[in-house]
Amino acid sequence: EIVLTQSPGTLSLSPGERATLSCRASQTVISTYLAWYQQKPGQAPRLLIYGASSRATGIPDRFSGSGSGTDFTLTISRLEPEDFAVYYCQQYANSQGFTFGQGTRLEIK
Amino acid sequence: QVHLKESGPGLVKPSETLSLSCSVSGGSIGTYFWSWIRQTPGKGLEWIGDVYYSGNTNYNPSLKSRVTISVDTSKNQFSLNLNSVTAADTAVYYCARGGGYDPKFDSWGQGTLVTVSS
Repeated sequence: EIVLTQSPGTLSLSPGERATLSCRASQTVISTYLAWYQQKPGQAPRLLIYGASSRATGIPDRFSGSGSGTDFTLTISRLEPEDFAVYYCQQYANSQGFTFGQGTRLEIK
Repeated sequence: QVHLKESGPGLVKPSETLSLSCSVSGGSIGTYFWSWIRQTPGKGLEWIGDVYYSGNTNYNPSLKSRVTISVDTSKNQFSLNLNSVTAADTAVYYCARGGGYDPKFDSWGQGTLVTVSS
């Protein structure tokens, strides 16, 4: 079973700074099957990135995804106030279906 | 833009069956996979399973023995049944577009809290 581990658990930054969020898989993940989501309190998750590096419709270009194999990264180039939220990575494997990481909380410093 | 909305009881008794429906508007349920995902503070986000518009399904192995997902294309909706529930099934349940060979969830319902309690 592929387990996704996100780090750090909490990231404290200021608006305007760069955020780098990590998602590490216990086994190789096909890049096509790696996605990132943003979730704000009381809301459903919102798709940000799919296929490891493709931005979803309407997502600002300050969000970017990269990585392959077992190490994937979500980067927010310059934080806006509305970017402070919880971020999840998600993968698909034929044997187990879809699984999510435990999340990284991005909070205002 | 497609809009999804969950409906169903907010309270279910232990050992009974949790039943939810998801209505899809603003687009056809055809040619897509549709999923159920739940979220708890302890286990985080957990994919329950998906259904293709044709009726083919895939389930999370850990829940497979208790889950049935079905689709009604005439009503543009799909449904979740989870039987023999316990307190561990208390969660916010989301319906979402995606699953199967479309490995991303690009539209989500608002979510509905289901509590399992006597």
